[in-house]
Amino acid sequence: DTGVSQDPRHKITKRGQNVTFRCDPISEHNRLYWYRQTLGQGPEFLTYFQNEAQLEKSRLLSDRFSAERPKGSFSTLEIQRTEQGDSAMYLCASSGGQGKNTEAFFGQGTRLTVV
Amino acid sequence: AQTVTQSQPEMSVQEAETVTLSCTYDTSESDYYLFWYKQPPSRQMILVIRQEAYKQQNATENRFSVNFQKAAKSFSLKISDSQLGDAAMYFCAYRSGGAQKLVFGQGTRLTINP
Repeated sequence: DTGVSQDPRHKITKRGQNVTFRCDPISEHNRLYWYRQTLGQGPEFLTYFQNEAQLEKSRLLSDRFSAERPKGSFSTLEIQRTEQGDSAMYLCASSGGQGKNTEAFFGQGTRLTVV
Repeated sequence: AQTVTQSQPEMSVQEAETVTLSCTYDTSESDYYLFWYKQPPSRQMILVIRQEAYKQQNATENRFSVNFQKAAKSFSLKISDSQLGDAAMYFCAYRSGGAQKLVFGQGTRLTINP
């Protein structure tokens, strides 16, 4: 396993278009997270899945954003009617194991530019 | 809500020297974890070191160590014998013991001068 994989690495889209990103977590990990990172800032939490259940969503996740993890494996993040303010790096992370002291492993991210 | 503050947007150090990155956090919880993540340019974020709040002993990982001051809500990272490969953005992060999401600081860009 090569770690958390995200696709595409870069996406340029016109304002108003829909975009979808994919995240493949580490295979044995049951938890998956999406974060957004704007230039010069730390990542901000968007949403979290345990298996296929979406257990937490940030207020940052407006109704234009939707995330799914249909079979508890890969996840998709869709942004509808993109706006210039959506330009950011979208990071996916996964973690697994029992207990509270678990480490999150991050992917390289998808950089979205809305023009 | 918990917050994490990194007051040093940029730091630089000479190769082989020691540097300390600062982090403060605000929480009313007693069960939590603190982390330092490293994000090299165009590469994924990796965990450098973690500290459980219930442990008094400061965590150490090779050249990386922390100074955890629970009462002051301070969690600084010390990098000894700095190497060129240490150049990166460093993020301090907080996680509640009862939650899964990480709360990140704004980051510190570390430059290593040869």
